[in-house]
Amino acid sequence: ETGVTQSPTHLIKTRGQQVTLRCSSQSGHNTVSWYQQALGQGPQFIFQYYREEENGRGNFPPRFSGLQFPNYSSELNVNALELDDSALYLCASSLASGVPNEQFFGPGTRLTVL
Amino acid sequence: QQQVKQSPQSLIVQKGGISIINCAYENTAFDYFPWYQQFPGKGPALLIAIRPDVSEKKEGRFTISFNKSAKQFSLHIMDSQPGDSATYFCAASRQGAQKLVFGQGTRLTINP
Repeated sequence: ETGVTQSPTHLIKTRGQQVTLRCSSQSGHNTVSWYQQALGQGPQFIFQYYREEENGRGNFPPRFSGLQFPNYSSELNVNALELDDSALYLCASSLASGVPNEQFFGPGTRLTVL
Repeated sequence: QQQVKQSPQSLIVQKGGISIINCAYENTAFDYFPWYQQFPGKGPALLIAIRPDVSEKKEGRFTISFNKSAKQFSLHIMDSQPGDSATYFCAASRQGAQKLVFGQGTRLTINP
């Protein structure tokens, strides 16, 4: 059984640019959630994808968008990057029919916006 | 009503001691309370979780105590080891909701 994987590990962008982060869910999991973790803070929920559709969204602006693919992998896209977008971006996978709310996290992508 | 408050922010415990981290929540609809362990440069790893139908759950050296009336829950790490040094996050969620609401984290240091 493979765990949640994310790519790239680190990324440096400049303000105003766009970025795409990728996530492969744990084997057998069909739901993917994305979180933003600022330095020294707890993760903040961005959104969740199930059956290739957004299934809930946190308090993040529309320039944060995502996709889920038929193989349950997912992308997080952020447009018009701002300095405050610098954070660790975490992907978590779960099974919709499994233990409710049980989510397993990947190692994250560290995004730095200069 | 979505907040989860965690304390202390940092904690130093001697090897072999008991580490205790506390969390309080406001939303009485929450019905799932996990604890995550995070090492530097890594994602959070699910450690143990509890639902409000029980007051305590134990897995190895890790125990969650849950007080529904006080809306509080805590993590106890018995016989703390240097390898337990990490940041610990409590979280909460309610059935049907998609998100976990996390506390601010506790940086735990176990001195050898």
